Amino acid sequence: EVQLLESGGGLVQPGGSLRLSCAASGFTFSSYAMAWVRQAPGKGLEWVSAIIGSGGTTYSADSVKGRFTISRDNSKSTLYLQMDSLRAEDTALYYCARDIAGRGYLDYWGQGTLVTVSS
Amino acid sequence: EIVLTQSPATLSLSPGERATLSCRASQSVSSFLAWYQQKPGQAPRLLIYDASNRATGIPARFSGSGSGTDFTLTISSLEPEDFAVYYCQQRSNWPHTFGQGTRLEIK
Repeated sequence: EVQLLESGGGLVQPGGSLRLSCAASGFTFSSYAMAWVRQAPGKGLEWVSAIIGSGGTTYSADSVKGRFTISRDNSKSTLYLQMDSLRAEDTALYYCARDIAGRGYLDYWGQGTLVTVSS
Repeated sequence: EIVLTQSPATLSLSPGERATLSCRASQSVSSFLAWYQQKPGQAPRLLIYDASNRATGIPARFSGSGSGTDFTLTISSLEPEDFAVYYCQQRSNWPHTFGQGTRLEIK
């Protein structure tokens, strides 16, 4: 059974940093591109960042470019999102998701980890 | 950035009725469009990808159509568990973008 378990969320002050983790199981992690998608409270979905299976290529939304870094450790089947220079507008539930065969669609999702940026 | 506009924002229907949800792209995305369902307190679930292909385990009452800039998700006969928020998403260009969602509510 495919499972994705996010962790690392919490309350952080503006300008601060957090690192989110997503532990994957039930599939060959290194064979799949992965993504982070966020959802602000009561709002819609925003694709934040993506990374291919090997980790060699990454993509980030303009809203987080230069502040967030996606990475992965295939030996640990874990996806990461390093979030720096956090802003109030980054407050959201952050989902980790698997990309279906690298096609840009997300077929499995975790339950999310909440990031709150506030002083 | 490709903008996806969903309509209507809210759709009120009764169980057993047919639901038609629309998604319009600001430029052509070919057939590179997906639909997701999200229920309160849950993560989104992939329903349709490449405009018309049902994801694994998705009931046949869900169907997708369209290409280019205009897409439709149809639920042929609504079941009680279908009342949720639906999002479209394009993967034609980075950044991959989602529509703002259509809330399907019980009338």
